[in-house]
This record gives sequence, structure tokens and C-alpha cells, in this order.
Amino acid sequence: AQTIHQWPVAEIKAVGSPLSLGCTIKGKSSPNLYWYWQATGGTLQQLFYSITVGQVESVVQLNLSASRPKDDQFILSTEKLLLSHSGFYLCAWSPGQGAETLYFGSGTRLTVL
Amino acid sequence: QQQVRQSPQSLTVWEGETAILNCSYEDSTFNYFPWYQQFPGEGPALLISISSVSDKKEDGRFTIFFNKREKKLSLHITDSQPGDSATYFCAAMPNYNVLYFGSGTKLTVEP
Repeated sequence: AQTIHQWPVAEIKAVGSPLSLGCTIKGKSSPNLYWYWQATGGTLQQLFYSITVGQVESVVQLNLSASRPKDDQFILSTEKLLLSHSGFYLCAWSPGQGAETLYFGSGTRLTVL
Repeated sequence: QQQVRQSPQSLTVWEGETAILNCSYEDSTFNYFPWYQQFPGEGPALLISISSVSDKKEDGRFTIFFNKREKKLSLHITDSQPGDSATYFCAAMPNYNVLYFGSGTKLTVEP
């Protein structure tokens, strides 16, 4: 069975500090991977997607970047956090049919102070 | 510009009633519409989906009605249960690897 693990579960960071969030998928080779951001009580906004190692496509950047260093790993990062980065970050994977069926992780709650 | 709109923002029904959640979209080229269910503190989970070649999709107590001409969809939840209390997101696919989500409808089912 496929499992998706996001880390950390929650972060409290200062404005201007760096950030790195991670996502690992086990049990599925070459998944499509996605990053979404959700403001508290708000909708989900797609940030990035990747269909293969080393390649990442941006949908909405929000002063963030993403990388896929391994087949099963997707990293979201920034060198300088803004207050507007606060929210819920969700990683998702799909078995290869584009974004038709997304399986989401349990998310990372980020608070920027 | 919001590509996918949902109404109402929140909805309360009694156990056993039918809940109706509405969704509309802007771009007539969208051809696939999933609905996701999200419980507090969790990631969303795919509930049911429909493609633009169909006008109805049923899965147990959940039914999507689709009107392509008016660019509208609705999700009907029959015999609503307290366990159905969650936020429901309508989404649309503008291209193969992108999904636009609506703002969600928070459903509360009172026992």
C-alpha cells in the first residue's frame, strides 16, 4: 500500500527566516507529486507539480520554490518567510493520470510570526 | 479571478435530509470535476468525480448533477449523516496536472 508522509507536522517560524518542508511517498514508483497551500478556512491553491525527478513546474509561486531530489521526495522551501506564508501546506501524489485522482498527505501547519 | 465558485459557504441540515452543494465554473474548456471531502486538520480526500461527457454520476448516497450549458454542478448527499459533517470542495481541471479548487462548503449535519 502507498503511504505519504509530510514533515514536520507543524512549524512556528519568524518572518525572514528560511523554511524547508518535505514529503515522501512510499510504495509507488514515479508518482506525480503536487504542493498545495491552504489559508486557514480557505481554499486550496496549487503551487507546484512534478512528474519526474529533477523537474518541477510552477503554478503559483508565492515566493516559494520546490525541488524533487529523489523519485519519492518533494521539497518546498524559501530563504525568507513572509507573514502571508502562514497556512496549511499539503503534498499530494497521483498514480500517473495527471491530477485526476490526488491522494493528499496530512499536511504541515505553518505559523509565521 | 476565481475560476471555480461554490455556494453556500456553509450549510446545516438535519440527519436524514438531503444536502445540496452548488458549484459553478468560468472556463468552458474544463472537462473534469472532482469533489473532495476534508475533515478538520486532515488533507482532503477524493469523494466523487464527473467528466463533462456525463450529466450525472452516482456513488451510494452521493450524486453529482452536471449542466454543461450553464457551467454548473451540484453535489447531492441523500440521507445525510453526522459523519458527513465536513468541508466539501468542488474542483476543475484546466490542464492535465493542474486542479483549481473552489472556496468550499462547510456542511454540518445535526442529529
